[in-house]
Amino acid sequence: AQSVTQLDSQVPVFEEAPVELRCNYSSSVSVYLFWYVQYPNQGLQLLLKYLSGSTLVESINGFEAEFNKSQTSFHLRKPSVHISDTAEYFCAVSDLYSGGSNYKLTFGKGTLLTVNP
Amino acid sequence: DAGVIQSPRHEVTEMGQEVTLRCKPISGHDYLFWYRQTMMRGLELLIYFNNNVPIDDSGMPEDRFSAKMPNASFSTLKIQPSEPRDSAVYFCASSLSVRGAGANVLTFGAGSRLTVL
Repeated sequence: AQSVTQLDSQVPVFEEAPVELRCNYSSSVSVYLFWYVQYPNQGLQLLLKYLSGSTLVESINGFEAEFNKSQTSFHLRKPSVHISDTAEYFCAVSDLYSGGSNYKLTFGKGTLLTVNP
Repeated sequence: DAGVIQSPRHEVTEMGQEVTLRCKPISGHDYLFWYRQTMMRGLELLIYFNNNVPIDDSGMPEDRFSAKMPNASFSTLKIQPSEPRDSAVYFCASSLSVRGAGANVLTFGAGSRLTVL
């Protein structure tokens, strides 16, 4: 069975500082990896995804994540955060080879990023 | 498209009452997911459908929970009888199955916050 661990439940940072949100997963097979973001009182939105190819993936708003197979990690980074980045961030994993159930996403418990002025 | 529509946004009920949560997925999407979010357990997949057929309901906590999808544009999640431990935010999400994990790119509704007294 797959699982996702987000090591930090809360990460407070100051505006324009860099940030890294950590995500580790466990799975016996190859995986797809995702980061979703949830703003207050809203549903989750896809931020970025790794399917194959380049291990570094980027989002349109400056976030990036790197797939590290040997360390089973998919950490999310941004070199300079804005107050508007304040939200909860969820890492998610899906097995490639689970037949019909490979559409089943397993989410981590989330990391609350708070950007202070 | 208006996105995934959920109703009600908030529901407060008393223990023992029946609760029905509703979801309208994005038109054309062939997968529909029901998730539950709590502080203790994070995001849990309850059940998902493909082309209106339930594929995996292993996450449904017990027989008090049931879900239906009578057509491609409507799904319900019912709890009968409700208990205080069912208090949570329930999310519906839909996706379109295309090559390359497309079905894992979920569009979430804004959620239904359930409080059972």
